[in-house]
Amino acid sequence: AQKITQTQPGMFVQEKEAVTLDCTYDTSDPSYGLFWYKQPSSGEMIFLIYQGSYDQQNATEGRYSLNFQKARKSANLVISASQLGDSAMYFCAMISGGGADGLTFGKGTHLIIQP
Amino acid sequence: NAGVTQTPKFQVLKTGQSMTLQCAQDMNHEYMSWYRQDPGMGLRLIHYSVGAGITDQGEVPNGYNVSRSTTEDFPLRLLSAAPSQTSVYFCASSYETSGVETQYFGPGTRLLVL
Repeated sequence: AQKITQTQPGMFVQEKEAVTLDCTYDTSDPSYGLFWYKQPSSGEMIFLIYQGSYDQQNATEGRYSLNFQKARKSANLVISASQLGDSAMYFCAMISGGGADGLTFGKGTHLIIQP
Repeated sequence: NAGVTQTPKFQVLKTGQSMTLQCAQDMNHEYMSWYRQDPGMGLRLIHYSVGAGITDQGEVPNGYNVSRSTTEDFPLRLLSAAPSQTSVYFCASSYETSGVETQYFGPGTRLLVL
């Protein structure tokens, strides 16, 4: 069985500071993918970044980077130079078993950026 | 491309009523799935499909039926709605290329069962 754990229910961060959102995962499948999604108050799910289990380098997408530590089974999201618009729920998710059977999500972290 | 579309956006049902949540995608993706999101929770998988004519159960399938007669459409049916099914429902479609998985989500349907 797959499991995603996000241990930070909420975080307050000052604008322009860097933010690290924690995510640990558990799976017995050697092939898997890790995702981060942003969900603003409007409700839509916005894809941020993806990391494959066999990727040698950490994924980066603009201000987002994924700190992938395979031995620790962690996939933390790092947001550099946070902005007020980054305030939202953030979900870590995993897919494995060939990718056909959907994502397993963590419970999310509510990030609030303060001016 | 319109991406993944869901209708309706909002729905109120009485206990015992039936309804179908519609989901369509125009990206020719093989994989489609339905999730529900409850307060304080991440999304949980209800049902998924790996192609037309093929469906399977996810983590929380009870009370829901699905079918996949075409690649584009993946409706979710509630046969007899219960208050426990009050939730936000997301449909997603996905594809894999060069080992990279990409998932697209619809805007969601908010369902209230009284």
